[in-house]
Amino acid sequence: DVKVTQSSRYLVKRTGEKVFLECVQDMDHENMFWYRQDPGLGLRLIYFSYDVKMKEKGDIPEGYSVSREKKERFSLILESASTNQTSMYLCASSRTGFGDGYTFGSGTRLTVV
Amino acid sequence: QQQVKQSPQSLIVQKGGISIINCAYENTAFDYFPWYQQFPGKGPALLIAIRPDVSEKKEGRFTISFNKSAKQFSLHIMDSQPGDSATYFCAASSDRGSTLGRLYFGRGTQLTVWP
Repeated sequence: DVKVTQSSRYLVKRTGEKVFLECVQDMDHENMFWYRQDPGLGLRLIYFSYDVKMKEKGDIPEGYSVSREKKERFSLILESASTNQTSMYLCASSRTGFGDGYTFGSGTRLTVV
Repeated sequence: QQQVKQSPQSLIVQKGGISIINCAYENTAFDYFPWYQQFPGKGPALLIAIRPDVSEKKEGRFTISFNKSAKQFSLHIMDSQPGDSATYFCAASSDRGSTLGRLYFGRGTQLTVWP
C-alpha cells in the first residue's frame, strides 16, 4: 500500500515560532500537496510540488513556505506561527498522468498558542 | 471561486436508509471525479471514482451517478450503516493543462447514520 507519513500527529507551538511539518511518501510519487482542513471550509490547498525543488502556490499560501529537496519528502514551513494557523494539516501525494487521485497522510493537528 | 460545490453540509440518515450527497462543477475540462471518505482523526481516503464516459459506477453499497450535461454528480449510499458515519468530500480534476492532476474539493458533507 502507498503510505504517506506525517511526522507528528499533534503539535503545540507558541506564537512567533518557526514550525516545520514533515511529510514522506514511499511510492515514488511525483506530486505532493499540503492542505489545511478547517470546519465548514473543507480542504484548502496551501502549496504543491510536481518535482524535486519545484513548488507552486495553492489557494492560501500566505504565511507558509515549502521545501522539496528529495522526491519523497515535502516540508511545510510556518515562518512565524500565528493563532489563525491553528488547524489540521494534511499532506497528500499522487502520480503524474494517471489521474487516479491522491493518497493522504493521517494529518497533523497544529495548535498555536 | 469554488470549483466544486457540494451539498448538503450535513446529513442525518436512519440506519438502512439511503444517503445522497450532491456536487456540481463548472469546468468542462474536468474528467475525473472521485469521492473521499474521512473518519475522525484520519486523512481522507479514496472511496470511489468515475470518469465522464459512464453515467454510473457502483461498488458495493456506494454508487456514483454522473450527469455530464448538467455538470453534476452524486454519491448514493444504500442501506446506510452507523459505520458509514464520516465526512465525505467530492472532487474533480483534469489531466490537461499545467495543473496536471490537481484535485479541486468540495467543502465536505458530515454524514451521521443513526442506529
